[in-house]
Amino acid sequence: DAKTTQPPSMDCAEGRAANLPCNHSTISGNEYVYWYRQIHSQGPQYIIHGLKNNETNEMASLIITEDRKSSTLILPHATLRDTAVYYCIVRFLPTGNQFYFGTGTSLTVIP
Amino acid sequence: GAVVSQHPSWVICKSGTSVKIECRSLDFQATTMFWYRQFPKQSLMLMATSNEGSKATYEQGVEKDKFLINHASLTLSTLTVTSAHPEDSSFYICSARGRTGYEQYFGPGTRLTVT
Repeated sequence: DAKTTQPPSMDCAEGRAANLPCNHSTISGNEYVYWYRQIHSQGPQYIIHGLKNNETNEMASLIITEDRKSSTLILPHATLRDTAVYYCIVRFLPTGNQFYFGTGTSLTVIP
Repeated sequence: GAVVSQHPSWVICKSGTSVKIECRSLDFQATTMFWYRQFPKQSLMLMATSNEGSKATYEQGVEKDKFLINHASLTLSTLTVTSAHPEDSSFYICSARGRTGYEQYFGPGTRLTVT
């Protein structure tokens, strides 16, 4: 079962930073936070994941609160191609393989 | 990067017939693959976990006799929808677990329409 809560939709102006929040208040110490996105009628695309520390890659930054009960995905300069549904997922490793998707946030980047 | 393909990308079949969907890991070996189903405007729902050389593990509420999964090699898993009905029309997505277990790579999906 999904263990995350996300706002159903958000808008962001093109070129601005998009900050997508996620609540995972029941996360346990061994669970990672993953972010995927799904552009219409395509398979999900990996964005980033983390355990405790903030993470950054070429696509985005992941900010995890100190108590790990929430996180924020940051797309630093949103483009129209970033319009998609963004899923925040918690996953136990190493024994947990499955991803259980929540409802996600539909992000619309506005010109 | 790791690539997962699905075939076909879309299929239309008549009610009562069976249809097979293939999921392949193109440049890596995947001991574990997963099958999801997604209805319009809904999230992905995990259907089953497919392990190479063993029986699939189905999520609660998923009929194992209707959705047959075979993972005969380290690069191929198949999902067969048997005796398809219009309510089985959906977007079926597979994914493959990467070597370290941290990664999971998704296929592009297969749109099934049952008429």
